[in-house]
Amino acid sequence: KAGVTQTPRYLIKTRGQQVTLSCSPISGHRSVSWYQQTPGQGLQFLFEYFSETQRNKGNFPGRFSGRQFSNSRSEMNVSTLELGDSALYLCASSRTQGGSYEQYFGPGTRLTVT
Amino acid sequence: DAKTTQPNSMESNEEEPVHLPCNHSTISGTDYIHWYRQLPSQGPEYVIHGLTSNVNNRMASLAIAEDRKSSTLILHRATLRDAAVYYCILINDYKLSFGAGTTVTVRA
Repeated sequence: KAGVTQTPRYLIKTRGQQVTLSCSPISGHRSVSWYQQTPGQGLQFLFEYFSETQRNKGNFPGRFSGRQFSNSRSEMNVSTLELGDSALYLCASSRTQGGSYEQYFGPGTRLTVT
Repeated sequence: DAKTTQPNSMESNEEEPVHLPCNHSTISGTDYIHWYRQLPSQGPEYVIHGLTSNVNNRMASLAIAEDRKSSTLILHRATLRDAAVYYCILINDYKLSFGAGTTVTVRA
């Protein structure tokens, strides 16, 4: 079974631009979560989607948004990029929501904002 | 969110067991205890999870205290490939809240 895939793997953007990251979950998984990882803040939860609905959101500004499509694929968008948005963005999928199911992470997208 | 406390780092010799402790004194009755690890330059990887009973899988064992206020991840025979940051996380619904984790170093 193919794992979680994220595209692109690396991205360089300029301050003020916007960016869209893509995540394809494992086949059959309906829950997709997004995380930001930086050296200073560690791994932080961004939001989670289940059946095209955002079920929870972390403490990030409105510049960070996402959506999920009917095939469970998900996209994350960051508008008006800031230098501090440079990070590894990780996507994880799970069969369903709930603590009894494990999450599977993709390799991440490394975003650099200059 | 219920919080977890882990030591910052641990060292082990290859082929020896590693016991990674985690304190979660504010755990609720419906919180699952999950462990993930992150190898250098990779996304986190699921290791094991449990609710009340001890659990074993091909990667590790999870020992959960009777009062559920602490747990221990056991790597039975550490290998160099087990060098990673190990995260103990409580999950009630669908949100993983990662702490700083424990950095495990394995000496050859």
